[in-house]
Amino acid sequence: RKEVEQDPGPFNVPEGATVAFNCTYSNSASQSFFWYRQDCRKEPKLLMSVYSSGNEDGRFTAQLNRASQYISLLIRDSKLSDSATYLCVVTSDSNYQLIWGAGTKLIIKP
Amino acid sequence: ETGVTQTPRHLVMGMTNKKSLKCEQHLGHNAMYWYKQSAKKPLELMFVYSLEERVENNSVPSRFSPECPNSSHLFLHLHTLQPEDSALYLCASSQEPGPAGEQFFGPGTRLTVL
Repeated sequence: RKEVEQDPGPFNVPEGATVAFNCTYSNSASQSFFWYRQDCRKEPKLLMSVYSSGNEDGRFTAQLNRASQYISLLIRDSKLSDSATYLCVVTSDSNYQLIWGAGTKLIIKP
Repeated sequence: ETGVTQTPRHLVMGMTNKKSLKCEQHLGHNAMYWYKQSAKKPLELMFVYSLEERVENNSVPSRFSPECPNSSHLFLHLHTLQPEDSALYLCASSQEPGPAGEQFFGPGTRLTVL
């Protein structure tokens, strides 16, 4: 089983729609969780951290379900500029290491 | 220059060549990282440096040799690479070493080994 699993997609979504995707992780001891965004041929950038109580940043909502070991990302009123690959990231047992998912590709269509 | 810069952006090398990748961070961070990103695969952490000291080495083959002369610069020396080493090599930095803080990435070096 992969340490962090994501549906690779692509998710093809019309502009203005709501889209959600999940990420499952295997290490029940993971303490910190993040969503990074990576545009085509660019570097990853932090989108948002994921807190236990769930958190929202504008059109983006992240949730954590520790019991089922998954995190989710919801994007409302999607924009063309939201097209990117979304990387799920969790902490490992190591003091220095993040465990990265392979990403979910999102394509917003006009 | 701002953020994290990497040179060269593209590199093509033969299996017998020796080359180096350079990374520089202008953020005053204390930790720097090398990652490998292959197509449709997760980022793989290669090395972590904290205040110029290597603190993590993830079973990386010896044909990859990192060097951190100071907290702003990080190099990855390459020699006798294999075609399967072709990938995007990303450098990142964070305020402190450790997984909880945001990591800032450079644009990467796209490496092709012939």
